[in-house]
Amino acid sequence: ETGVTQTPRHLVMGMTNKKSLKCEQHLGHNAMYWYKQSAKKPLELMFVYSLEERVENNSVPSRFSPECPNSSHLFLHLHTLQPEDSALYLCASSQQRPNTGELFFGEGSRLTVL
Amino acid sequence: GNSVTQMEGPVTLSEEAFLTINCTYTATGYPSLFWYVQYPGEGLQLLLKATKADDKGSNKGFEATYRKETTSFHLEKGSVQVSDSAVYFCALTPQGGSEKLVFGKGMKLTVNP
Repeated sequence: ETGVTQTPRHLVMGMTNKKSLKCEQHLGHNAMYWYKQSAKKPLELMFVYSLEERVENNSVPSRFSPECPNSSHLFLHLHTLQPEDSALYLCASSQQRPNTGELFFGEGSRLTVL
Repeated sequence: GNSVTQMEGPVTLSEEAFLTINCTYTATGYPSLFWYVQYPGEGLQLLLKATKADDKGSNKGFEATYRKETTSFHLEKGSVQVSDSAVYFCALTPQGGSEKLVFGKGMKLTVNP
């Protein structure tokens, strides 16, 4: 495996379910990110981890819970989501902090909340 | 605050047509500027970048010039191909660097044979 890998690629869940998105980077980077991509809206930065420490949380609802157990893995735990949370969730990594803007993205996890 | 405004499209062109996607930004000082591209079913990938005024970024036949006087970073390609069909995002990071890469809304381009 190379680059940034996200699983699952597609997820359908009810509002009472609990699920997790997984991201793994094989690039030796030291920062990882979660972005939300919704139609007709700019990408929204949700969380940033640098050296496994969370450095930014852009006022994301608590129903989204990130976890970064090491510099190669990042999770997004989901619970009691709303239909408006349906979106493409993108994971990214970068080589250094401060961010020079060169992010490497995974292919995304398409989430549908029923 | 920092922001990016770009053409939203969607835009449909014929193969070999000339492409311009406008992008303007709001930021203090000298941000770094980027174009990212998202091909169907894939994540975003860096297309080109420029880190100081008058720099020209180029890649895969695409070019963009950092214009401080007009706060712009327009993307151009002289002759598009079907394989250029994708969503294009303009983005910036503030001067001095930041974890926060600020994106525009993206523009979907479809190129027909």
